[in-house]
Amino acid sequence: KQEVTQIPAALSVPEGENLVLNCSFTDSAIYNLQWFRQDPGKGLTSLLLIQSSQREQTSGRLNASLDKSSGRSTLYIAASQPGDSATYLCAVWDNYGQNFVFGPGTRLSVLP
Amino acid sequence: GAVVSQHPSWVICKSGTSVKIECRSLDFQATTMFWYRQFPKQSLMLMATSNEGSKATYEQGVEKDKFLINHASLTLSTLTVTSAHPEDSSFYICSARKGSEQFFGPGTRLTVL
Repeated sequence: KQEVTQIPAALSVPEGENLVLNCSFTDSAIYNLQWFRQDPGKGLTSLLLIQSSQREQTSGRLNASLDKSSGRSTLYIAASQPGDSATYLCAVWDNYGQNFVFGPGTRLSVLP
Repeated sequence: GAVVSQHPSWVICKSGTSVKIECRSLDFQATTMFWYRQFPKQSLMLMATSNEGSKATYEQGVEKDKFLINHASLTLSTLTVTSAHPEDSSFYICSARKGSEQFFGPGTRLTVL
C-alpha cells in the first residue's frame, strides 16, 4: 500500500529565504506526482504536476523534482514571501492512475 | 485548465438528517470522479472512486451505505451523507479526472450538530 510522508511537518522562515519541502513515497511505481497548496479552510490549488517520465517541473518561483527510484520529490520555493504561507501537500497516483494518495502536508509560515 | 464546482460550499444540519453534496465538472466530461474527506489538521483521505454509470468503489473503512455516491452523468457526481452524525463533520472535496490529471473542487464543509 502506497504511503506518502512529508518533512518537515511545519516550517517558519523569514521572508526572502529559499525553501525546500520534502516528499517521500514507498512505492516507486507511480503514474504521476502532484504538489498542491491549501490555504486554511479552503480547497486545493494545484502547483506542479510531474509525470512519471519527468524529473522536474518549474513554475515561477517554484521548482519540483522527482526521483522515482528513491521515492522522493522536493518542492523548492525561491525568495519566499508572506503570501506563500499555506499548507503544501504532495500526492502520488499509483501506476494504474486509480489511487491518489496524499501526504500529511507541510505547514509553511513566511514571516514579513 | 478545467473547472470543478461543488455545491453547497458549506452546510450545517441536525444529527440524523441526510445531506447531499454535488460535484460538477464544468467544462469537461469526467468518467471518473473521486471523493475525499479531510478532518481538521489532517490530510485528505480518499473515500471512494466514482465511475459514471457504475457502482462506486469505496476505500477500506468507508461505509458505502452511509456515504451514497451517484455518478449519473459525465459531469455530475453526488455524495449523500445519510443519517449524519457529529463525527461526520468534515471537509469533503471532490475531484474529476481529465487525462492524466485530477482537478479538485473547492470543497464542502459539513457541520453536523
